[in-house]
Amino acid sequence: EAQVTQNPRYLITVTGKKLTVTCSQNMNHEYMSWYRQDPGLGLRQIYYSMNVEVTDKGDVPEGYKVSRKEKRNFPLILESPSPNQTSLYFCASSLFTGSSYNSPLHFGNGTRLTVT
Amino acid sequence: KQEVTQIPAALSVPEGENLVLNCSFTDSAIYNLQWFRQDPGKGLTSLLLIQSSQREQTSGRLNASLDKSSGRSTLYIAASQPGDSATYLCAVDMGQFYFGTGTSLTVIP
Repeated sequence: EAQVTQNPRYLITVTGKKLTVTCSQNMNHEYMSWYRQDPGLGLRQIYYSMNVEVTDKGDVPEGYKVSRKEKRNFPLILESPSPNQTSLYFCASSLFTGSSYNSPLHFGNGTRLTVT
Repeated sequence: KQEVTQIPAALSVPEGENLVLNCSFTDSAIYNLQWFRQDPGKGLTSLLLIQSSQREQTSGRLNASLDKSSGRSTLYIAASQPGDSATYLCAVDMGQFYFGTGTSLTVIP
């Protein structure tokens, strides 16, 4: 089944303890991205990647890191989490972006992160 | 910077009613516009994608239109059902995606 898989679904951690949220897609998509969703603010892009070894900052990259060593995986790393990073996080992928191809964005089921 | 707005933020309608959700954007230099559905605690599911050169797309009871020059899109839902209750989001693709904050729809049986 074609899907974007995020893990874990729920995560509670303490300030400063490094964590990684994994994201994997099995559709051979070139484009992958991370978003956070907060009440009243909607979905905001953290980082995105057009292809392997190519990553770019979105609108809210501070406090996050990403890597794209393989096409299928795009992990999100919080080196020193803080309470203001408590949020619902989504990974998404599409075949292409910024083109005339019919390439919808596919989302994972989300990771609810709480930082105390 | 692209700003995407969805009005209304919430909508409640009786079952069977036809309804329209609105999405507006400030920068018309988009590649496409997508409509998504989000159920509580779940990820987003793609409903329709309209290329910048297209005027509308249809899927079942859903019809989305795009007027790129005026920065507007509408999602028309025909004969609404309780199962349509969800949050609907629009997003524009400029190489990077920009999302609206969504319209929360409740269809009352």
